[in-house]
Amino acid sequence: EVQLLESGGGLVQPGGSLRLACAASGFTFSSNGMGWVRQAPGKGLEWVSSISGSGDDTYYADSVKGRFTISRDNSKNTLYLQMNNLRAEDTAIYYCAKGNSGTHHYWGQGALVTVSS
Amino acid sequence: EIVLTQSPATLSLSPGERATLSCRASQSISSYLAWYQQKPGQAPRLLIYDASNRATGIPARFSGSGSGTDFTLTISSLEPEDFAVYYCQQGSNWPRTFGQGTKLEIK
Repeated sequence: EVQLLESGGGLVQPGGSLRLACAASGFTFSSNGMGWVRQAPGKGLEWVSSISGSGDDTYYADSVKGRFTISRDNSKNTLYLQMNNLRAEDTAIYYCAKGNSGTHHYWGQGALVTVSS
Repeated sequence: EIVLTQSPATLSLSPGERATLSCRASQSISSYLAWYQQKPGQAPRLLIYDASNRATGIPARFSGSGSGTDFTLTISSLEPEDFAVYYCQQGSNWPRTFGQGTKLEIK
């Protein structure tokens, strides 16, 4: 059974940093691209970032480029999202999702990130 | 950036009725389109990928069609659990983009 479990969410001040982690199990992690999708309160889904199975290729939405960094540790079956210089508009639930081809077959339960002073 | 426009924004129907949801892309995306269902407080769930392939465990009343710029998600006969928000997502170009969603509500 595929499982994706996010952690690391919380309250952070504007300009601060946070690192999300997504622990994956139930599939061959290193063979699968992964991604992050977020959802601001009461809003729709927004793709944030994706990474290839090897980690060699990364992609970002313009809204986070230069501030967020996606990475993975295939030895730990874990996906990360390092978020720096956070803004109020980054407040959202962040979902980890399996796949980077535009089809996310599995999603985590989400981690809430709140950026507020 | 490819813009996906979903219509209608809200669809009010009764159980047993047929639902037709639309997703239009600002340029051709071949068949690289997925549909997701999201219920309140839950993560999205994949329904359809590559425009017309049902994901694992998805009932046959859900079907997808289209290619190029125009796509449709059809629910043949609505069940009470189908009332939710539906999103499309394109996988043709970076950045990946989602439509704004269609809320399917009980009439």
